[in-house]
Amino acid sequence: GAGVSQSPSNKVTEKGKDVELRCDPISGHTALYWYRQRLGQGLEFLIYFQGNSAPDKSGLPSDRFSAERTGESVSTLTIQRTQQEDSAVYLCASSLDRGYTFGSGTRLTVV
Amino acid sequence: DQQVKQNSPSLSVQEGRISILNCDYTNSMFDYFLWYKKYPAEGPTFLISISSIKDKNEDGRFTVFLNKSAKHLSLHIVPSQPGDSAVYFCAASGRDTGNQFYFGTGTSLTVIP
Repeated sequence: GAGVSQSPSNKVTEKGKDVELRCDPISGHTALYWYRQRLGQGLEFLIYFQGNSAPDKSGLPSDRFSAERTGESVSTLTIQRTQQEDSAVYLCASSLDRGYTFGSGTRLTVV
Repeated sequence: DQQVKQNSPSLSVQEGRISILNCDYTNSMFDYFLWYKKYPAEGPTFLISISSIKDKNEDGRFTVFLNKSAKHLSLHIVPSQPGDSAVYFCAASGRDTGNQFYFGTGTSLTVIP
């Protein structure tokens, strides 16, 4: 596609439920990143996929967070047993070299 | 540990004047820097970049200055326009950071007509 696509754009979930966020990167971009932005804070790195290499999961805040990527295409970020502090905008970005193209994000609200 | 800092959370500037957004970093291994602009309900969009071999890069109304000895970069917008009102993030990376970028917390710029 022309840009990075994320779905859903908004998600409201009850505390304790699992959620799955989706990212479709730009075709041909080998690198894919997940960031999150909580209210009043900067962009927080979560996970990085590069081709078929093992992902860099160093930014995942807890074992409730996991992400998968199929080859160099779609990625899903899963948050299990959501907590209120998980409320944030989750941003996906893809890259071919240096510099990112971001999606519009998924605004997650845990109530 | 915040490796990239934007110490001004907000800035207001009159239309037509210069906007100066500042960014400081701590990691001397950073060698590539970007500025992103973010409107509400949208993802950040790339604005301008600079590598550490330069101290200035200009693109139209936007100029980024890099002072490596001070570990400081700034974005100048001149003349400022109301459509420039957005949150501006600086980001930095180095070859040893796995292409991961470290972002500042953003500066919200308001250009007053």
